[in-house]
Amino acid sequence: DAGITQSPRYKITETGRQVTLMCHQTWSHSYMFWYRQDLGHGLRLIYYSAAADITDKGEVPDGYVVSRSKTENFPLTLESATRSQTSVYFCASSGVVGGYEQYFGPGTRLTVT
Amino acid sequence: KNEVEQSPQNLTAQEGEFITINCSYSVGISALHWLQQHPGGGIVSLFMLSSGKKKHGRLIATINIQEKHSSLHITASHPRDSAVYICAVSGLGSARQLTFGSGTQLTVLP
Repeated sequence: DAGITQSPRYKITETGRQVTLMCHQTWSHSYMFWYRQDLGHGLRLIYYSAAADITDKGEVPDGYVVSRSKTENFPLTLESATRSQTSVYFCASSGVVGGYEQYFGPGTRLTVT
Repeated sequence: KNEVEQSPQNLTAQEGEFITINCSYSVGISALHWLQQHPGGGIVSLFMLSSGKKKHGRLIATINIQEKHSSLHITASHPRDSAVYICAVSGLGSARQLTFGSGTQLTVLP
């Protein structure tokens, strides 16, 4: 499918487990982003990537790991999930074509019990 | 103080009314974005602008760079416009990562 997709869309996991959220885009956009959305905090940047093998921290990176071995994929891993990581996670991408407008995935609702 | 401030936080209007949502920011930006999020839904980019005014259908976005202020207007509002509208700014760095306002919950009553 063309566009930007996320999987899974919903996930329930237990405290301490490792969880990986997937993000895939078909536009060959160079930039990709992970945000979390929480009531009272709005959207906040977790990590971003400017290109394959280039990643950098955002506002709230603690407890998360990212990788980008291929341009089209940008997985987000919670190494040991905590209840405070219960949130809705959005992936986004942008590129030079389109003037850096960001395109968002449908989101993943993660619950940590 | 947040870098991006939106007002109002909540807005209820009657169908057909003209609606304005405001956004102020305190940092240098490369662009300002207006996003829309329906309940339980994803986030859609409505506008990205760095100067002047843009129009798409019944939606109009303006920005005043000197005053660090932007407005989103909806003309002839409709219940389907009910959503959260989010203002965000792209920083001056090369990655253009977004910093978001807290959002405005708009409800348009029939």
